[in-house]
Formats: sequence, C-alpha cells, structure tokens
Amino acid sequence: SQKIEQNSEALNIQEGKTATLTCNYTNYSPAYLQWYRQDPGRGPVFLLLIRENEKEKRKERLKVTFDTTLKQSLFHITASQPADSATYLCALDGSNTGKLIFGQGTTLQVKP
Amino acid sequence: DAGVIQSPRHEVTEMGQEVTLRCKPISGHDYLFWYRQTMMRGLELLIYFNNNVPIDDSGMPEDRFSAKMPNASFSTLKIQPSEPRDSAVYFCASSLSRGSGNTIYFGEGSWLTVV
Repeated sequence: SQKIEQNSEALNIQEGKTATLTCNYTNYSPAYLQWYRQDPGRGPVFLLLIRENEKEKRKERLKVTFDTTLKQSLFHITASQPADSATYLCALDGSNTGKLIFGQGTTLQVKP
Repeated sequence: DAGVIQSPRHEVTEMGQEVTLRCKPISGHDYLFWYRQTMMRGLELLIYFNNNVPIDDSGMPEDRFSAKMPNASFSTLKIQPSEPRDSAVYFCASSLSRGSGNTIYFGEGSWLTVV
C-alpha cells in the first residue's frame, strides 16, 4: 500500500544545533516533494519544494534533500532557534495530478 | 491578497445537526482542496476541485459528507447528519496550477466539535 511516513515522536534539540527530520514514502514515484510548517491552531504553510531531478535545495537556514532510490527526503534546519518549534509536514503528489498527500508530521521543539 | 478564507472558525453542534463549512479560495487559483486533520489520522485529503469541477472525492468518508463549488470563488463542505467522530479541524486550501509542483495555500481551518 502507499504510505508517507514521518517520525511521529517529537524531536527535541538544543538551540543552535541542526535539526534533521525524515520523510519516507512507499509505492509512490513523485515528481516532487514539498515541506510545510504548521504552528498550533494554524494552517500549514509552504516552505520548500524539491523535484525528483534535484538532490538538494536550500533556503536560508533550511535544506532539503531528495533521494528517489531510497524513497526518502531529509529536512534540515541549521542553527535552530526556539522560533523554529513547530510541526513539519512532508507532502507529495503521488499521481502527478495535483492531488497532494501529507505525512503525519514531526513536531520539533527547540529549547533555549 | 487576503489568502484562503474559511468560515466559521469554530463550530460546536449537536449530533444529528447539519454543518456547513465555507471557503473562499485565493483569487485566480484553479485548484481547491478540502482536508480534515485529527490527531489520530493527521491531514487527510477529502476532495479536490479543478476549475470548479470535483476531480477526486475518494477521501470523502461517507455519504453524509458532500462538497460543492458553484463558482471559482466559493466552496462548501456539508456534513448531514453530523456525528461526534466528525470532530476535527477542516482545512480548505487552494493552488495555482503551474505545471509540475503546485504549492498549496491553506486557510486557518474550521474547528468542528460535534457533541
């Protein structure tokens, strides 16, 4: 069956460290993968998109990698700050029709 | 732009009552999505429209749920009759098709509690 899996356990790290979140998928061949941030009581907000022919994408302190062989994307936040505390969701369009499917999300807590 | 606008933001209703959730997508966007989010199941896609036409409603849980998009600037999600297990946050989202890679813009959600 098709699955998108993110670590359901919260990730707790110290301010200044690099946070790494994982997104694994099964039985999909997406042309791209996206990452969103969701704060409590708010809707998800788009952060980054990476295409299947891109190994890595960066935006300020954020970096995303995409390994279509491993069927995995890694999301890194360098020099993390307490303001980065949120839930991060990965999403993909498994059928390339515009139908975006989300993982369960991983909650990141950055402690000062 | 004002972003995706949803109403009501919060609704508490009794089991058996009809619930109507409303959404105004971002002007010019041609895709509209309805998602439901719960702790147990995460963010689930219920239905999506392209150019006001329902494309995929395979995520709609049962016949009690229906969605319409009468024009490009308005959509409704209706639950009739509502049940306690329908309690969740319902998000509307829209996107502009731009070839491969449509970024979705979410509203702030409608928080539904059925008692």
